[in-house]
Amino acid sequence: AQSVTQLGSHVSVSEGALVLLRCNYSSSVPPYLFWYVQYPNQGLQLLLKYTSAATLVKGINGFEAEFKKSETSFHLTKPSAHMSDAAEYFCAVSDGSGTYKYIFGTGTRLKVLA
Amino acid sequence: DADVTQTPRNRITKTGKRIMLECSQTKGHDRMYWYRQDPGLGLRLIYYSFDVKDINKGEISDGYSVSRQAQAKFSLSLESAIPNQTALYFCATSDTGQGGDTEAFFGQGTRLTVV
Repeated sequence: AQSVTQLGSHVSVSEGALVLLRCNYSSSVPPYLFWYVQYPNQGLQLLLKYTSAATLVKGINGFEAEFKKSETSFHLTKPSAHMSDAAEYFCAVSDGSGTYKYIFGTGTRLKVLA
Repeated sequence: DADVTQTPRNRITKTGKRIMLECSQTKGHDRMYWYRQDPGLGLRLIYYSFDVKDINKGEISDGYSVSRQAQAKFSLSLESAIPNQTALYFCATSDTGQGGDTEAFFGQGTRLTVV
């Protein structure tokens, strides 16, 4: 069965500092991986996705993630945090074998300090 | 207008009552999903449907039922609501035919409180 693990339910960074949100996955088949962001009182919005075309994936709002098969990781980074990045971030995996269910991690709430 | 619309956005109901949450989409997607979100637990899949005649249970389907009335409509029902079904519920859709890399599109959510 597929799963994702997000380390750290809460992360705080200073404005302008590096953002690093961790995601590890478990999958018996080549995974499709996603990062979503949820702003307060809103639904989930796609940040970026890994589709096997490139291991370094660039997304919206300056975020990027690197797929590392050897480490089964797909960590999300942003070089310089902005106050508007404060939100909850979810890593998700989709089964490419045909079921096409999305399995989500437990989420990481990012706080940006002025 | 939103591509994935959920109604109601907020609802308070009493224990034992039947309640239906509705979802409609204008994206033309075949796949639709219902998730619930609880603090610290992320999103968990309740039911999913790949077309009008295909309904599947997710990891936490007990106490819930669904109806796929049309390609664009997917409703979630709580036959007899209980307090631990208090949560934020999301409907999502995704496209068919593009492999597993197609992303899900989410509604704004329905905040349900069972008292």
